[in-house]
Amino acid sequence: EDQVTQSPEALRLQEGESSSLNCSYTVSGLRGLFWYRQDPGKGPEFLFTLYSAGEEKEKERLKATLTKKESFLHITAPKPEDSATYLCAVQARNTDKLIFGTGTRLQVFP
Amino acid sequence: EPEVTQTPSHQVTQMGQEVILRCVPISNHLYFYWYRQILGQKVEFLVSFYNNEISEKSEIFDDQFSVERPDGSNFTLKIRSTKLEDSAMYFCASSPENYGYTFGSGTRLTVV
Repeated sequence: EDQVTQSPEALRLQEGESSSLNCSYTVSGLRGLFWYRQDPGKGPEFLFTLYSAGEEKEKERLKATLTKKESFLHITAPKPEDSATYLCAVQARNTDKLIFGTGTRLQVFP
Repeated sequence: EPEVTQTPSHQVTQMGQEVILRCVPISNHLYFYWYRQILGQKVEFLVSFYNNEISEKSEIFDDQFSVERPDGSNFTLKIRSTKLEDSAMYFCASSPENYGYTFGSGTRLTVV
């Protein structure tokens, strides 16, 4: 069965304290792995798509990496405005649906 | 930047009533989706829609649910007879190529 597990469930960081979020997945033929940011009461906001092991993508303070079993979202020198829930999702080949993890709730304190 | 628009933002309905959730996808997108998120739980796939028909649906999407694209811009989710367990955030999404979705801000459905 395709599934996604994210850790930790919650993460508290001081402003400027870099860290990583983990997404472990099992999927029958990966089409893509997606990272989203979700603010309270809002829809998921697209961050990155990764397609194959070894791929990396960056956007401002965020960098996403992918292996055959997991993905990491590295946050460098976070700011309070980076506080949100970060969701990981996978899409298998020959299916439309995204399978989401439960997310990591990140809080960054000044 | 183009966005997916959902209305209403919050809907309260009585158990057993019909409810229609509305979405305006991004104009040049071809694939449309509904997801839901029960409070404190994962975002779950409900249905995908392409070329004016359902292309895939989950076990959640039973006979109480239906989707429609009544014109060139709107995409709706209808729940015929709401149950308490249908209370959730419902997200519409659209995509040009069946991946890399853009999600709307959601409709919070409360069934009382």
